[in-house]
Amino acid sequence: DIQMTQSPSSLSASVGDRVTITCRASQSMSTHLNWYQQKPGKAPNLLIYAASSLQSGVPSRFSGSGSGTDFTLTISSLQPEDFATYYCQQSYSSYTFGQGTKLEIK
Amino acid sequence: EVQVVESGGGLVQAGGSLRLSCAASGFTFNRYWMSWVRQAPGKGLEWVANIKKDGSEKYYVDSVKGRFTISRDNAKNSLYLQMNSLRAEDTAVYYCARGTYSGSSYFFDYWGQGTLVTVSS
Repeated sequence: DIQMTQSPSSLSASVGDRVTITCRASQSMSTHLNWYQQKPGKAPNLLIYAASSLQSGVPSRFSGSGSGTDFTLTISSLQPEDFATYYCQQSYSSYTFGQGTKLEIK
Repeated sequence: EVQVVESGGGLVQAGGSLRLSCAASGFTFNRYWMSWVRQAPGKGLEWVANIKKDGSEKYYVDSVKGRFTISRDNAKNSLYLQMNSLRAEDTAVYYCARGTYSGSSYFFDYWGQGTLVTVSS
């Protein structure tokens, strides 16, 4: 099984900050990597698919990069509605999610 | 508008059974793989099972193999999850999710609001 490790597990930041979340896979997986945002009590929402493709309707301040084992999600300028938990998900071998990164207001 | 709506959750004793349903609308259901993903209280996301467009292939996470069965009825635009021999560790919100493949990745692009399953021991 492919293990996905996100870092950090939690992060405090301010509105307007640039934030980067990292996801590392236990084996190489090309670009079979997706990112989701989840707010409390809500379903996850797809942000980025295939490592770097922006899902329709998602603001352009969100971007993704990486291939192989190391991937990043970047929010260029944090907005109040971006405070949430973020998950990466691999689809190279079955499907597994990272443990999540909780982004909180500083 | 794409919508998926789960139902059927509730409180059940350990060893019992429950059947979840997911009603889909706003897209051509029989053109998509569908999945169940769960989230235990305060925990992360875990993919549970998925099913091919025509129902001919089904896959499960190891922890539910032999206990859960995923199925679909394309005539009714519906997805199901039959859960038997339930355990306390199956307690979670269960989400129905549409799967889409885009060349180099498979992702879940539409999710329902979830239905809570609580297994009491």
